[in-house]
Amino acid sequence: GQNIDQPTEMTATEGAIVQINCTYQTSGFNGLFWYQQHAGEAPTFLSYNVLDGLEEKGRFSSFLSRSKGYSYLLLKELQMKDSASYLCAVADSNYQLIWGAGTKLIIKP
Amino acid sequence: IAGITQAPTSQILAAGRRMTLRCTQDMRHNAMYWYRQDLGLGLRLIHYSNTAGTTGKGEVPDGYSVSRANTDDFPLTLASAVPSQTSVYFCASSDSGLGGDEQFFGPGTRLTVL
Repeated sequence: GQNIDQPTEMTATEGAIVQINCTYQTSGFNGLFWYQQHAGEAPTFLSYNVLDGLEEKGRFSSFLSRSKGYSYLLLKELQMKDSASYLCAVADSNYQLIWGAGTKLIIKP
Repeated sequence: IAGITQAPTSQILAAGRRMTLRCTQDMRHNAMYWYRQDLGLGLRLIHYSNTAGTTGKGEVPDGYSVSRANTDDFPLTLASAVPSQTSVYFCASSDSGLGGDEQFFGPGTRLTVL
């Protein structure tokens, strides 16, 4: 079966760094996405990785290891507005997105 | 309008009633999707359309139908609603149904079936 695993909830301090992990097992792989979703709102795109390595975009970076079925999202210089759920999704062999249940990130002052 | 819109924002529906959720995008995207999001679960794909005139079944299509008469609109119909269809429904679109295209999401419809 297809499976995306990520922690249910994480807590971090304002100004700190946090790493949100995602492991996956899917039928085929056509890239991995990270989305941010604030409570009561729609998901918004953060990053896309299809090759191994680190992609950096401002305070956010995303890493992929296809051989390990593993990705992480790294958030630096945390701000209160980063409190949200972070969704990991993998595009399978049919390019359909398989979604994890999301990691709720709580930022404390 | 800019982006992708959904209507209604929320709805309470009696079991057995028919309901259509509307979705419209103005980005001229080829691909459109309907997801449901339930607490503790990831987004689950209900139906999708890679281009106007074509549709496909996702992970959880039973009890739902869609049509794609044109590029902009992708309505989702519940023929006879049941309580297990209580959920938040998101419509999304992307430039194509392939590769690393970002999916843009509408604001969602919160549906309660009693």
